[in-house]
Amino acid sequence: DTEVTQTPKHLVMGMTNKKSLKCEQHMGHRAMYWYKQKAKKPPELMFVYSYEKLSINESVPSRFSPECPNSSLLNLHLHALQPEDSALYLCASSQELATTGELFFGEGSRLTVL
Amino acid sequence: GENVEQHPSTLSVQEGDSAVIKCTYSDSASNYFPWYKQELGKGPQLIIDIRSNVGEKKDQRIAVTLNKTAKHFSLHITETQPEDSAVYFCAASMRNNNDMRFGAGTRLTVKP
Repeated sequence: DTEVTQTPKHLVMGMTNKKSLKCEQHMGHRAMYWYKQKAKKPPELMFVYSYEKLSINESVPSRFSPECPNSSLLNLHLHALQPEDSALYLCASSQELATTGELFFGEGSRLTVL
Repeated sequence: GENVEQHPSTLSVQEGDSAVIKCTYSDSASNYFPWYKQELGKGPQLIIDIRSNVGEKKDQRIAVTLNKTAKHFSLHITETQPEDSAVYFCAASMRNNNDMRFGAGTRLTVKP
């Protein structure tokens, strides 16, 4: 069982909707990540939080808004999305940002934008 | 920036045979090379990793080799089983997890 929990597992939304994806980890990790994965493609980094501060934003459109309320939680707020934003959104965590080590991934939230 | 190429894109083997997946990287400063396995409907899971100060690492049926001179690294799975069927991603990074670059993935099918 993954130690990174993502909800919801599936989400269908219209282009005018506002929704949020949630991620939780209780491993005491201080770095958390959002990745986007299209079908048959590798994960692409979107955002990185280190010690609850946004560290990296990989030029992601503003219709995606990340939030890190505390060291265990990571949210991704979605607004005015486009059909091409349909993908699997993966949350991950690691002990620290500044070291190369294992990324722990959640099972993902599969998003469909109509 | 780093560029990681992975081959083959699909691989089909008979149960019990070996499987080999190869990756090349472009930046000689990369020093960490993990391999992730992604099963259908799940997130990627680390199966083995190697750092640039080591040439080979083994964990039961899985091994990874690294050739820093040629800038390539490979995943070897011996005595394959149907449950090894999944998509495998190689990756490379220089400093930390936010500069990690994934290969395009290899879909491995192990036929019983």
